[in-house]
Amino acid sequence: DQQVKQNSPSLSVQEGRISILNCDYTNSMFDYFLWYKKYPAEGPTFLISISSIKDKNEDGRFTVFLNKSAKHLSLHIVPSQPGDSAVYFCAASAKDDMRFGAGTRLTVKP
Amino acid sequence: GAGVSQTPSNKVTEKGKYVELRCDPISGHTALYWYRQSLGQGPEFLIYFQGTGAADDSGLPNDRFFAVRPEGSVSTLKIQRTERGDSAVYLCASSFPRGEQFFGPGTRLTVL
Repeated sequence: DQQVKQNSPSLSVQEGRISILNCDYTNSMFDYFLWYKKYPAEGPTFLISISSIKDKNEDGRFTVFLNKSAKHLSLHIVPSQPGDSAVYFCAASAKDDMRFGAGTRLTVKP
Repeated sequence: GAGVSQTPSNKVTEKGKYVELRCDPISGHTALYWYRQSLGQGPEFLIYFQGTGAADDSGLPNDRFFAVRPEGSVSTLKIQRTERGDSAVYLCASSFPRGEQFFGPGTRLTVL
């Protein structure tokens, strides 16, 4: 059963614009959320995280928003750059367990 | 090395054979995870070690899959009587407890 869902398999944006990647989860026990970025032939790399006690965490061009009532989180990248093109995975954790979404392939066009 | 390493990077085997996949975690990371990623999917949890013990093996699909971490560092994922459906990229990750996970590059397993 898919506890973490990324409903958009792909997203294409123009360089300099905002990229918004969305993620929904079903398990209310999740209390820590992460975004990972993956390039071909490499393992996922950690990008940004947020604890359930917060609703926003910002790190440079990357901001993660958490809406606990809607069980929804999003990753905003602004401004988007061609080097951001990758697959982005949303992950949610309860204790030491972690579940991943299916990923969204982001393409940033120059 | 500084990161998580996995060997081999690619493994091609025949249906019914036995395979072992190795993971070297980041030094000092007590937690180690195995995931399986099929095409177009996110990493699927298989098993989690805290130290030497398997704290959660609920993701292992059946009893053909087994993993060990005898000294609390290197881990080996073992697959018996491989099937074509086992073909995937097997990812290993390590972390401090409740920290972000650092992933290895994965082992691409192809079962012919």
